[in-house]
Amino acid sequence: IQLTQSPSSLSASVGDRVSFTCRASQGISSYVAWYQQKPGKAPKLLIYDASTLHDEVPSRFSGSGMGTDFTLTISSLQPEDFATYYCQQLYANPLTFGGGTKVEIK
Amino acid sequence: EVQLVASGGDLVQPGRSLRLSCTGSGFFFGDFGLSWFRQAPGKGPEWLGFIRAKTYGETTEYAAPVEGRFTFSRDDSKSIAYLQMNSLKTEDTAVYYCTRDRQHHFGGLYYYYMDVWGEGTTVTVSS
Repeated sequence: IQLTQSPSSLSASVGDRVSFTCRASQGISSYVAWYQQKPGKAPKLLIYDASTLHDEVPSRFSGSGMGTDFTLTISSLQPEDFATYYCQQLYANPLTFGGGTKVEIK
Repeated sequence: EVQLVASGGDLVQPGRSLRLSCTGSGFFFGDFGLSWFRQAPGKGPEWLGFIRAKTYGETTEYAAPVEGRFTFSRDDSKSIAYLQMNSLKTEDTAVYYCTRDRQHHFGGLYYYYMDVWGEGTTVTVSS
């Protein structure tokens, strides 16, 4: 199952609302997770079940979608949110990831 | 604090072997399945496979690029999982991560998501 994330990068300012998408090559219900990764660090789980916030993840993060189209939204970008975000499908093995969206400071 | 730490990465020549370890702490290691991922420089993570908990027979599954060359195992008495890598290739160069897999019931199915990722360890395969 291929996942296509868009855009591959975006520039935004602190306080902005940003959204980026993940499209699956076939229907995967809501078996999607989103991760945040900073340089030199392991990915950190943000969301699973497409929309369930993982423990201690700030409520400014939200996920939505079902089937083939999914969205991650950050309602008010904070300095610590500048990172690369990956979607992952958990519907079938081999588990696969999107190519990532890099969020940079404008 | 729940933690996983991968170790054992090194510079090795093509065709050689290497064993990575994944040490867990802050949780009951034996209750959880574990997955392995790797991430080549500038790329997204790549799933390598998993080893389930003893309750589920320590079942393993491998991704196609590593099946037959890589082997997962675990020693719950030491809270350590292992990734034995044989016949290493230059394309195996990456940072390797282990994850804790949490079983979850959703939409009528049981599935696993990766709730804890360990610090990675770097494997470089080069002559």
